[in-house]
Amino acid sequence: AQSVTQLGSHVSVSEGALVLLRCNYSSSVPPYLFWYVQYPNQGLQLLLKYTSAATLVKGINGFEAEFKKSETSFHLTKPSAHMSDAAEYFCAVSGGNQFYFGTGTSLTVIP
Amino acid sequence: GAVVSQHPSRVICKSGTSVKIECRSLDFQATTMFWYRQFPKKSLMLMATSNEGSKATYEQGVEKDKFLINHASLTLSTLTVTSAHPEDSSFYICSEQTSGNEQFFGPGTRLTVL
Repeated sequence: AQSVTQLGSHVSVSEGALVLLRCNYSSSVPPYLFWYVQYPNQGLQLLLKYTSAATLVKGINGFEAEFKKSETSFHLTKPSAHMSDAAEYFCAVSGGNQFYFGTGTSLTVIP
Repeated sequence: GAVVSQHPSRVICKSGTSVKIECRSLDFQATTMFWYRQFPKKSLMLMATSNEGSKATYEQGVEKDKFLINHASLTLSTLTVTSAHPEDSSFYICSEQTSGNEQFFGPGTRLTVL
C-alpha cells in the first residue's frame, strides 16, 4: 500500500527565504513520487516527479526535491521564495494506476 | 505533457437539478481517466476511475447512482451529478494517466448548488 504524509498544513516564509515543504511516503514497492502545485480555483500543475532515476529532481519554477530512501522522504525545496510561489502544494505517490495525495501544504510568502 | 480540459469551469444550479461536467483529453487517447473531488482547504479525494467502454470503478463511500460517469470515447469522460444538493457543492477535477505513470489534471469545475 502507498501513502504520503505532509508535515505542516501551513508554512509561511519571507520573500527571498528558503522554502522547505516536507513529505514522507510509505510504499511497498519502489515509488513514483510527485509534487503538484495548485493555485486558487485551478487544477493541479506538476512541479516535478521522481521515477527512480536521479535522487535529486529539479522541477519548474526553481523547485527541486530529493528522494531519500533511508528517510522515506521527498521534501520540496526552493532557495529563494517569490510572492508568486504562494499556493497549495501536494505531494503524491503513485501505486499502480492510482495516485495517493497528501493533505496539502499551504505556502504563504510574506513580503 | 498531456492537456486535459474541463467544461464548464464554473456552474451554479438549483437544488434537485442534474449537472454534467465534461473532461476531455486534447492530445492523448486516455483509456483511463480519474475523477476527484476537493473540499475547501482539503486534499483531493478520488471518487472513481473512469474506464473507456466499460463501467466506472467507484471508491468506497461514493454513490454510483448519484455520480454517474460515462467514458464513451478515448478522449471524453463525463461526470453527472444527479439531483444535486448543497452538500454536493465542491471543486471537481478530472485527470488522465499516461503510460509514464504520470497524471495530468484538468483545470477543475466549481459546482455550487443553491
